[in-house]
Amino acid sequence: DAGITQSPRHKVTETGTPVTLRCHQTENHRYMYWYRQDPGHGLRLIHYSYGVKDTDKGEVSDGYSVSRSKTEDFLLTLESATSSQTSVYFCAITRSSGTGGEAFFGQGTRLTVV
Amino acid sequence: KQEVTQIPAALSVPEGENLVLNCSFTDSAIYNLQWFRQDPGKGLTSLLLIQSSQREQTSGRLNASLDKSSGRSTLYIAASQPGDSATYLCAVTGANSKLTFGKGITLSVRP
Repeated sequence: DAGITQSPRHKVTETGTPVTLRCHQTENHRYMYWYRQDPGHGLRLIHYSYGVKDTDKGEVSDGYSVSRSKTEDFLLTLESATSSQTSVYFCAITRSSGTGGEAFFGQGTRLTVV
Repeated sequence: KQEVTQIPAALSVPEGENLVLNCSFTDSAIYNLQWFRQDPGKGLTSLLLIQSSQREQTSGRLNASLDKSSGRSTLYIAASQPGDSATYLCAVTGANSKLTFGKGITLSVRP
């Protein structure tokens, strides 16, 4: 499973509150990603990181921010949660090199914004 | 912008049938293509990774092929079993190491 742990696994939060999801890896991989998965849309990239303090936006980054202060942790923050951010969030890493490595995913975080 | 398409969205077959799942992508400048399996309510499990310089990869009853120039990949499942029922996703790695996913094919194998 490439040593990826997401926390929490489930969360219910109220509209307007900030939420932080954590992805932790144990293998020191350089590349880490946050995706959201929604019916009819598939998996969409939110943000990704190519090293400590090096991050970039994906295709659905509005309303989200990320931080990576240590190699092993990649945090996703919903600055002010909205109902449209109800989704399943997946963290991924790329093993070996970023350009040709195999991707592995965490078990996901189911977030409900009420 | 890379687009990945998987058609059909759902497929139902009887047990024992050999089947092919298709994946197409619009930009042939990829580093690799990966097939995943996802069971309901679960994460993604990597099945096969094909580097851009390779033509195919095999693992057990699974065989994946890649034709980068035509923007196509197929996942061949031999002698399908009810336990193969799941959603199968393909993803390509392009510039900046970003993975772009298709929406998946939900496979049901009937006993």
